[in-house]
Amino acid sequence: GQSLEQPSEVTAVEGAIVQINCTYQTSGFYGLSWYQQHDGGAPTFLSYNALDGLEETGRFSSFLSRSDSYGYLLLQELQMKDSASYFCAVPYGQNFVFGPGTRLSVLP
Amino acid sequence: DAEITQSPRHKITETGRQVTLACHQTWNHNNMFWYRQDLGHGLRLIHYSYGVQDTNKGEVSDGYSVSRSNTEDLPLTLESAASSQTSVYFCASSKGTGGETQYFGPGTRLLVL
Repeated sequence: GQSLEQPSEVTAVEGAIVQINCTYQTSGFYGLSWYQQHDGGAPTFLSYNALDGLEETGRFSSFLSRSDSYGYLLLQELQMKDSASYFCAVPYGQNFVFGPGTRLSVLP
Repeated sequence: DAEITQSPRHKITETGRQVTLACHQTWNHNNMFWYRQDLGHGLRLIHYSYGVQDTNKGEVSDGYSVSRSNTEDLPLTLESAASSQTSVYFCASSKGTGGETQYFGPGTRLLVL
């Protein structure tokens, strides 16, 4: 089966950098995705890492280490609008298994 | 623009009633999914479909059914609603080549009294 672990909550101040970790246990591994969900909204895709290393997309970066079964989402120059829940997810066949989510609170 | 929509956005029903939640996508995606989201449980897969006439059970399928008669729609039916099915329901779709992005609908908030 598949299982993912994330911290439940993270708090940071505006302008700071925050890292949200995700560890996974999977039978077969094809990559790690990240989704953002604002309160009352739908999850939206942020990034996907199929290979080890860092992928950068603007203020957001995502890192994967397959040997450590570990990845993280890095958010730089935090803005108030980044307050949301962040989910890591792994493909399972053509489905996805989602982590429990990390609630990020950005303080002024 | 292509999109994925859900209706109704909010629904209140009574225990024992049958309820159907609609999901419609114009991405022409093969794969469609239904999730429920509850505090402390993240997103849990209810049912999924890889194409017309194909349906499969997910992690929490008991009490739910789906049918796929065309590419665009995957309605979710609660056969006899229970209070434990009070939740936020999300429909999603993806191309179907494996491991790629899922696109989520806006969600349906269901309250079973």
